Amino acid sequence: EAGVAQSPRYKIIEKRQSVAFWCNPISGHATLYWYQQILGQGPKLLIQFQNNGVVDDSQLPKDRFSAERLKGVDSTLKIQPAKLEDSAVYLCASSLAASGGVLGTQYFGPGTRLLVL
Amino acid sequence: TQLLEQSPQFLSIQEGENLTVYCNSSSVFSSLQWYRQEPGEGPVLLVTVVTGGEVKKLKRLTFQFGDARKDSSLHITAAQPGDTGLYLCAGNTGNQFYFGTGTSLTVIP
Repeated sequence: EAGVAQSPRYKIIEKRQSVAFWCNPISGHATLYWYQQILGQGPKLLIQFQNNGVVDDSQLPKDRFSAERLKGVDSTLKIQPAKLEDSAVYLCASSLAASGGVLGTQYFGPGTRLLVL
Repeated sequence: TQLLEQSPQFLSIQEGENLTVYCNSSSVFSSLQWYRQEPGEGPVLLVTVVTGGEVKKLKRLTFQFGDARKDSSLHITAAQPGDTGLYLCAGNTGNQFYFGTGTSLTVIP
């Protein structure tokens, strides 16, 4: 079974530039997550999709970050314009839908490491 | 604001020692998970605990969910260098999902 795919793996940009990340979840997984992880810290959930609808985007900085999941499969996360503090690893994960409040297993991609200069 | 606080933040021990990592919150969680993350990779699920007071064992790892479902612990017996990594608790409360602050474990051969 193919895992969660992410691209690119690394990206270096200058502040105020734009950047986009792509995620292809595991086939059949209805739920897709984007996380931001600062080195040595736990991931912070940015946005959660259920199929192509948004379940939770309360921690997404909407003035500069946007995400979409067209057709309920692939997803893109965009930052425009980037700031120095956006330097982090951006992780994508997918899961089957949770049942009865019990968490399902999230399968993570390898992440995209972003450096903003 | 971190909803799930882990302690210690860093831990460096010798091979063969035992250790415990704690995950604490003031909120009640429907279920709680533990993940391990190695450098350059995404987190990998170790266990999910659902019932207050539940204890699960995975080889040398023992996971416990607090009676009030506000805290959890991970105990590793006879740590090995392969246990090195970032350990993360995670849980959902209501419709929101959170990861803990993380515990970075290094096991020295």
